[in-house]
Amino acid sequence: DAGITQSPRYKITETGRQVTLMCHQTWSHSYMFWYRQDLGHGLRLIYYSAAADITDKGEVPDGYVVSRSKTENFPLTLESATRSQTSVYFCATTSGRLSSYNEQFFGPGTRLTVL
Amino acid sequence: RKEVEQDPGPFNVPEGATVAFNCTYSNSASQSFFWYRQDCRKEPKLLMSVYSSGNEDGRFTAQLNRASQYISLLIRDSKLSDSATYLCVVKGYGNKLVFGAGTILRVKS
Repeated sequence: DAGITQSPRYKITETGRQVTLMCHQTWSHSYMFWYRQDLGHGLRLIYYSAAADITDKGEVPDGYVVSRSKTENFPLTLESATRSQTSVYFCATTSGRLSSYNEQFFGPGTRLTVL
Repeated sequence: RKEVEQDPGPFNVPEGATVAFNCTYSNSASQSFFWYRQDCRKEPKLLMSVYSSGNEDGRFTAQLNRASQYISLLIRDSKLSDSATYLCVVKGYGNKLVFGAGTILRVKS
């Protein structure tokens, strides 16, 4: 009944380390998204996925890698973390039905600090 | 220029007041429009979609002006619980959303 979950909820890491943020959904929604939210910028799309094994870049993909081997999981990896990647990361899903007004449902977010 | 622009506020209003937020978008090909609400340190949640003819949901009224490329949200009889950040959201190609930076509303007793 959890819907969409993210882990960890809080993470502190050091510059240069690899970090993976997890996103899991129980609805079998087709689409999944990763956003970052920074003061003054709102939410910006990093990567998205229309289905398993289909991913595409968003507005700010540099420094991030995603995969989607299963419909329910969409991990986001920072290959070599930088201080500029300190942010709040939100995962979201939508069903992908043929409607212009599909709601996106967001996970609770992961607060990442890169020292 | 940002694709979706909002006045960041904050808007400080007393309980019972009527407050309006505006938002402009730059992509004339945008297909659909939304207002999301975000409470402090929480995830965004859909408040309401914005339809071409305008729509109302209780105390909330949303309007769209495609010719001028702006969207508005009107909140009547503000409650303390309305205090939040309101995000203007535009949907373009596929299911990708573009978010404004948000407008902060603080309702005071």
